[in-house]
Amino acid sequence: AQSVSQHNHHVILSEAASLELGCNYSYGGTVNLFWYVQYPGQHLQLLLKYFSGDPLVKGIKGFEAEFIKSKFSFNLRKPSVQWSDTAEYFCAVNAGWSDMRFGAGTRLTVKP
Amino acid sequence: EAGVAQSPRYKIIEKRQSVAFWCNPISGHATLYWYQQILGQGPKLLIQFQNNGVVDDSQLPKDRFSAERLKGVDSTLKIQPAKLEDSAVYLCASSPGLAGLHEQFFGPGTRLTVL
Repeated sequence: AQSVSQHNHHVILSEAASLELGCNYSYGGTVNLFWYVQYPGQHLQLLLKYFSGDPLVKGIKGFEAEFIKSKFSFNLRKPSVQWSDTAEYFCAVNAGWSDMRFGAGTRLTVKP
Repeated sequence: EAGVAQSPRYKIIEKRQSVAFWCNPISGHATLYWYQQILGQGPKLLIQFQNNGVVDDSQLPKDRFSAERLKGVDSTLKIQPAKLEDSAVYLCASSPGLAGLHEQFFGPGTRLTVL
């Protein structure tokens, strides 16, 4: 069965620092990749997604992610974080029309 | 546009009791999902419906969990009897189509505590 690994459980950054959150998956076939975010007190919402094409995808609020097929990775990046980016970030993988698998999540705390 | 609605928001029960959760998806969304999120973990898919048919229930503990979406709109998830390890947030999500091709929209969740 496919699985998703997020390397960092909790990341603490100062405002304006650069962010990279790791995500690796274990599945050899074609996959669809997602990053979801949950801000404090809010619902899970989609940050960005990759289905095919350009492996560098851009999402909302200045986030981007790069799909590296050879490394089975889909890392999330942002050049300069803001206090409002404090949230929990989940990587998710889907290998077709069902069976969406989520990682355990990374809690990001941005200090003002 | 109204989002995914769930009720109740919180529920506390004792082990071996029964509990039911309700979800109303975004209007027009064909696909509905129930997830279980245990503290410190990511959401785990329990069951996925396409209209009123089950697409995937491979991770649903069928000896105690059941779910239905009789008219292809709202859905109910039931646990009978509950165990301590069922304490979690139960999330409902919906999408216009199948999981791999569409964004999922999540509800606020129901936080279940089993004592």
